[in-house]
Amino acid sequence: GAGVSQSPSNKVTEKGKDVELRCDPISGHTALYWYRQSLGQGLEFLIYFQGNSAPDKSGLPSDRFSAERTGGSVSTLTIQRTQQEDSAVYLCASSLTSGREDTQYFGPGTRLTVL
Amino acid sequence: QKEVEQNSGPLSVPEGAIASLNCTYSDRGSQSFFWYRQYSGKSPELIMSIYSNGDKEDGRFTAQLNKASQYVSLLIRDSQPSDSATYLCAHPSGGSYIPTFGRGTSLIVHP
Repeated sequence: GAGVSQSPSNKVTEKGKDVELRCDPISGHTALYWYRQSLGQGLEFLIYFQGNSAPDKSGLPSDRFSAERTGGSVSTLTIQRTQQEDSAVYLCASSLTSGREDTQYFGPGTRLTVL
Repeated sequence: QKEVEQNSGPLSVPEGAIASLNCTYSDRGSQSFFWYRQYSGKSPELIMSIYSNGDKEDGRFTAQLNKASQYVSLLIRDSQPSDSATYLCAHPSGGSYIPTFGRGTSLIVHP
């Protein structure tokens, strides 16, 4: 079946603009994660959704970042008033459940460049 | 603070050799560990998971977990140039289901 998809693949924006990044998880996967990866850095956790539970937002770096997941499927990560330090690859992953042994499947990422 | 530590490398090995990648972690309560491979410009993909002490083998890959010493390693036998990538270690920590990732070790396999 189809894997995790993300759009757009690349996004160039000007400082101060808002951006929306989309993630379409694997069908049937109840858990969805957002990470970001700066050049040469590891994966930084941003936010986690599990089913209908309240999301874990503990990784969001500022209140300019928000995310929602509609109907337990597609998720949108919104960054308001973008800053140059927001430039990174934003990765979405999904897993069947949120069990400790569940495999995360990553999407191809969205490369965000803030000029 | 729960951390996952990896040597950033690069680790350079000749083709056909054994590549040994190591990861240490601080959360003694961790139960499951994952190794991901990430090619340049691509997203991570899972190559091995391990949940109990000892070795787990899958083809050319062997994961080793030592909970007493708090390290997990990945051995790649008969290394190939196509194994050249960054290898990320991850585990859920702090009672969370959310994996914490190390910064990764860059592996270069030269012909």
